[in-house]
Amino acid sequence: DVVMTQTPPSLSVAIGQSVSISCKSSQSLVYSDGKTYLHWLLQSPGRSPKRLIYQVSNLGSGVPDRFSGTGSQKDFTLKISRVEAEDLGVYYCAQTTHFPWTFGGGTKLELK
Amino acid sequence: QVQLKESGPGLVQPSQTLSLTCTVSGFSLSSYGVIWVRQPPGKGLEWMGVIWGKGNTNYNSVLKSRLSISRDTSKSQVYLKMNSLQTEDTATYYCARGQTDYWGQGVMVTVSS
Repeated sequence: DVVMTQTPPSLSVAIGQSVSISCKSSQSLVYSDGKTYLHWLLQSPGRSPKRLIYQVSNLGSGVPDRFSGTGSQKDFTLKISRVEAEDLGVYYCAQTTHFPWTFGGGTKLELK
Repeated sequence: QVQLKESGPGLVQPSQTLSLTCTVSGFSLSSYGVIWVRQPPGKGLEWMGVIWGKGNTNYNSVLKSRLSISRDTSKSQVYLKMNSLQTEDTATYYCARGQTDYWGQGVMVTVSS
């Protein structure tokens, strides 16, 4: 199985600060069609996950452009510019290139 | 708009079978896959399996011997059945569309006698 390693496991931030979360996979996430199926999800407290970014860098519908994703092959980063209170929760990276699909362990974003 | 909603029993006895339903709206099951993901209390996400638009399935190998995913396109429903439940199967179970773009609210399932 593809192991997804997220760091850091938690982040304490002030509103307006910018933060980055890293996600590294144990195998390349480039599929045979040339696309990279690496996505970022946010699970707000008590809520179901919501997809923020798909295929590394594409913003989901209605997702503010304070969120951005970069990376390739096995190394990916989610950046949040100017954190707002609604951004707090647990962030997960997810790969849907290889079966079984797998998730990172999560990064909990909390208020400082 | 796209919606998914899980339903099923909140409590299942050990060794029994779990049956969950995911009712979808705003899209066709013939055009999109639906996945099942579970989350034990306070823990991370585990992908369980997918049923594709053509009706074929893929399962997580660790669950494959116990798990079955099926659907009824006329009812816009996807079904999960998992047998031989143990306490470790206590979790919130989610269905989601395709490449995780839309999620249901989840249903909490407790395995206990």
